[in-house]
Formats: sequence, structure tokens, C-alpha cells
Amino acid sequence: ILNVEQSPQSLHVQEGDSTNFTCSFPSSNFYALHWYRWETAKSPEALFVMTLNGDEKKKGRISATLNTKEGYSYLYIKGSQPEDSATYLCARNQAGTALIFGKGTTLSVSS
Amino acid sequence: EAQVTQNPRYLITVTGKKLTVTCSQNMNHEYMSWYRQDPGLGLRQIYYSMNVEVTDKGDVPEGYKVSRKEKRNFPLILESPSPNQTSLYFCASSVTGGNEKLFFGSGTQLSVL
Repeated sequence: ILNVEQSPQSLHVQEGDSTNFTCSFPSSNFYALHWYRWETAKSPEALFVMTLNGDEKKKGRISATLNTKEGYSYLYIKGSQPEDSATYLCARNQAGTALIFGKGTTLSVSS
Repeated sequence: EAQVTQNPRYLITVTGKKLTVTCSQNMNHEYMSWYRQDPGLGLRQIYYSMNVEVTDKGDVPEGYKVSRKEKRNFPLILESPSPNQTSLYFCASSVTGGNEKLFFGSGTQLSVL
């Protein structure tokens, strides 16, 4: 099993704060790194899929970076809003094998 | 509408009574997969399928069976459910399972008494 570690496990921020989470993964035989957003009582929804070292992707106030050589990815949320409250999952894919998920970072944003 | 349809949403059963959770996608995806979500453990893969008639074990396949007789359907079968299979289950699909995003079903909350 290829371990994907996410930190912090949870955090609580105030509306308007910017925040970031970390996803760490084994760098060998890397194929793709996924980020998903999972709201309570809903299904996970894809945010980004990144494949190249140095990739940066952005979707509104959310962005992500990827370092495949050292095995980490950061997810940034700028100006957090209450609707950003969710669990953010990252997952590592090795070609031809399973997509391994981390345990997630649960974000709570207070207004 | 492009979607992954998973049924039922909730299921309560008793130990040993065979059950099937259905999963169907209308996006012509080759890759389909089943996950279970347990508190503190994250999403763990049960089985996946890269194409019709091709299935492989994930991290936690014990006690489960799957089949992929046609592209759109990937049912999860519990031949003899046990209480440790009480969990939240998700079906997901993607184009080829490589670097494409997964589309998730709405989840099935299973309780085995």
C-alpha cells in the first residue's frame, strides 16, 4: 500500500482567512495526484487532477501545486467562506493500480 | 445528465443475507471502482475495473465480489455480509482510470446487524 498523508487532520478558520493543506505521498512511480472536495451528506467532487512536477491549477479561490520529486502537494483557499466548509481529500494514482486516498483535511469556516 | 447512479441509498440487513449494491454510469467510462468510507480510515478501495470483464482487487477486497459484464454497470456483491462490513460505500467512474477525475455516486449507507 502506498501511503498518502494529509495534514492537518482538521482546522477551523474565520471567514476571510486564507488557508492551506498538505498532501504527502511516495514520489516513486508517480502518475497523477487528485484533489476532491467532500461536503457532508454529499459525494466527493473533483477539484483538480495534476500530473506534472511544478503543476499549478486554480479554480476560483482554490488553487493547488504539485511537487512530484519530493512527493507533496499543497491546496490553498484564499479568503475562506462558510461554503468552503468540507473535507478535502487528496489521492495518488500509480498507473494501472488503485487510486489511494488520504484521510482528508476537514475545514470549518465560521462567519 | 452525466452521472453515476448508485442504489440503494440506505440498507439495513442481517448477517449472512446476500445483498447487491448496484452502480451504473451513463458516461461510457471504462474505469469503475468501489470504495468504503469508515471513520478515521478514509476512502479505501475495494475493487476496480479497467474495462468490461476486467476486475482487480483494491486494498480491502475480502468479503466482496464484483462483476463487469457490461460497460455501464459494476455491482458490488456481499455474499454473506458481516457486521464489520457496516460502512458508507461509494461507486465511482472515470474515463480510463489514469489521470482523469473520478465521478462519484451518491453513496450507500449499509448497516449489517
